[in-house]
Amino acid sequence: GAGVSQSPSNKVTEKGKDVELRCDPISGHTALYWYRQSLGQGLEFLIYFQGNSAPDKSGLPSDRFSAERTGGSVSTLTIQRTQQEDSAVYLCASSLRWGRGDTEAFFGQGTRLTVV
Amino acid sequence: GEDVEQSLFLSVREGDSSVINCTYTDSSSTYLYWYKQEPGAGLQLLTYIFSNMDMKQDQRLTVLLNKKDKHLSLRIADTQTGDSAIYFCAERGSSYKLIFGSGTRLLVRP
Repeated sequence: GAGVSQSPSNKVTEKGKDVELRCDPISGHTALYWYRQSLGQGLEFLIYFQGNSAPDKSGLPSDRFSAERTGGSVSTLTIQRTQQEDSAVYLCASSLRWGRGDTEAFFGQGTRLTVV
Repeated sequence: GEDVEQSLFLSVREGDSSVINCTYTDSSSTYLYWYKQEPGAGLQLLTYIFSNMDMKQDQRLTVLLNKKDKHLSLRIADTQTGDSAIYFCAERGSSYKLIFGSGTRLLVRP
């Protein structure tokens, strides 16, 4: 596609429910990142994929959070048993490859998650 | 560990220059970036600088890097109301992660 696409753009869910957030990276981009932006805060790194593998999951806040990537393309971030502190904007980014610092990371518009 | 800090807020008058400052801790940082986030929008890369440079200019934007003090700044010349946004400093060191600051909200007054 033309850019990184995330869906849904907005999600309101009840506390305790599970949610799935989707990211469609730019075609051909092998690196994919998930970040979380809480209100008035910077971006908190969650997880990174190179291809389908996630070398580092240490940024995931708890074991309620998981992510997968299939076919080296679409990624899904799943939050189980959502809590109010999970409310944030979840941003996905992709880049051509991770090893080149001068390679731009393109961000999606984000999914605004509200847990009520 | 890796940390990036920015001041939270800057207010300038239209036509003046804006200077947004950032400090970082990772001495192995190779690339440093400035991103812009407009209300309700995603992040847009404005510019980046490689750590062996001390200045980069791109139209109205000037990036200054003091590697010794681990200080990065973004100067916007002739600031316009359309420049009002949140500006994030980010660094990439030896790891694959982009580490972001908390963002500086720039308000441009008419």
